[in-house]
Amino acid sequence: GNSVTQMEGPVTLSEEAFLTINCTYTATGYPSLFWYVQYPGEGLQLLLKATKADDKGSNKGFEATYRKETTSFHLEKGSVQVSDSAVYFCALSERDRDDKIIFGKGTRLHILP
Amino acid sequence: NAGVTQTPKFRVLKTGQSMTLLCAQDMNHEYMYWYRQDPGMGLRLIHYSVGEGTTAKGEVPDGYNVSRLKKQNFLLGLESAAPSQTSVYFCASSDRQGGTEAFFGQGTRLTVV
Repeated sequence: GNSVTQMEGPVTLSEEAFLTINCTYTATGYPSLFWYVQYPGEGLQLLLKATKADDKGSNKGFEATYRKETTSFHLEKGSVQVSDSAVYFCALSERDRDDKIIFGKGTRLHILP
Repeated sequence: NAGVTQTPKFRVLKTGQSMTLLCAQDMNHEYMYWYRQDPGMGLRLIHYSVGEGTTAKGEVPDGYNVSRLKKQNFLLGLESAAPSQTSVYFCASSDRQGGTEAFFGQGTRLTVV
C-alpha cells in the first residue's frame, strides 16, 4: 500500500541555518504530496503542496519539489527562524484510492536563537 | 471562521467507560477523517467517511466506531475505553479527492486510567 517515510527527528538548528527534511513515498499511482506543520498545542495546517511531477510547492520561505523519478518531496528553507520550531509532516493522497491521506511520522524541528 | 471544531478538548476516562468525540465542520466538505497521534507514531487513520451516511475503516479501527448521520458531523465512539486508547485525537475534513487540502481541528487529548 501507499506509505510515506520521512527523516527522524528531532532536528536542531541555529537560527538562519539551511533546513532540509527528507521525505520519500511509495504509491501505485500519481499521488498529490503535502507538507503539514503542527505548532505546539495546535492541529495540523497545510504548509505547501504539489499535485503533479516537477511541481514546486512554496509558502513562508519553505519549498518542496515533487520528484517522481526519486519518489521524493524534500522540504527546504534557506534561513530558518525560531518561529519555525514545530513538527513537520509529509503526506500523500491518491485520487483513485478513495482519498485517504497518509502521513509520515513527523519530524520535530527545534531552532535555537 | 470556525472551520473544524472538536469537542471536548480534554477528557479523562476510567477503563471500561464509554464516550463520544464530536467533530463538526462548516465548510460543506464531503470527506471527514479521524486520526490518533501518539509519540513516535505520527498520525494514524482510525476511520473516515467519503460522504453523509458512509464510513470506512482506516489503519487502526479496532475499539472505535463512527457515524456520519449529517454531512457536517462525524462522531467517534469508544464503547469500552482502554489505556491503549490514551492519545490525542484529530478530526479533519477535505473537499474532494486527491490534491485537496485537509483542514484539522485542534485535537482532543484523551487519557484513559
